[in-house]
Amino acid sequence: GEDVEQSLFLSVREGDSSVINCTYTDSSSTYLYWYKQEPGAGLQLLTYIFSNMDMKQDQRLTVLLNKKDKHLSLRIADTQTGDSAIYFCAESYNQGGKLIFGQGTELSVKP
Amino acid sequence: DTGVSQDPRHKITKRGQNVTFRCDPISEHNRLYWYRQTLGQGPEFLTYFQNEAQLEKSRLLSDRFSAERPKGSFSTLEIQRTEQGDSAMYLCASSLVGRVTGELFFGEGSRLTVL
Repeated sequence: GEDVEQSLFLSVREGDSSVINCTYTDSSSTYLYWYKQEPGAGLQLLTYIFSNMDMKQDQRLTVLLNKKDKHLSLRIADTQTGDSAIYFCAESYNQGGKLIFGQGTELSVKP
Repeated sequence: DTGVSQDPRHKITKRGQNVTFRCDPISEHNRLYWYRQTLGQGPEFLTYFQNEAQLEKSRLLSDRFSAERPKGSFSTLEIQRTEQGDSAMYLCASSLVGRVTGELFFGEGSRLTVL
């Protein structure tokens, strides 16, 4: 079935690291994605990882993929107040076409 | 700006009325998607097109919903006989088949409120 699960809320202090977790169901997903949604704005692609990779680093962002457990995480180093947003994990279901999204993790960064 | 644009951004209607939303994708993108998002939830897939062909519809999409993409460019999503449960943000996204990463580019959405 199609199901992507995320924890709903995360609160961190400015300067700390944030880790947002996600589990997915489709083992044939070619890519897995993290999207960011700021208040009043559309979803924007933050980063992605190819399914044959274990880790991808992009500046302050680190994506870890555990295919065996179908677990994806997003680590944001040195979290800033501007990182406050909702973060959505998504899988490309059935090797193409639509993306299936999790319910989103609301990240709150306190000064 | 050549991003995905949606119109109208906000629509308030009375129950039982019909509404139509329009989406203009990024010009070279051949796939177009419609999603629905309610408060506190992630985007829920409704349907998608490749060029003018509608390739998949969600089982959640009732027969009151119809989407078209007649010339393979812009798309419309019509909701007939609206119900209060249709209140949501309707998101349009586009993508390019053959692009390696397959990511979707989203518009800012059309918010529907059914009174």
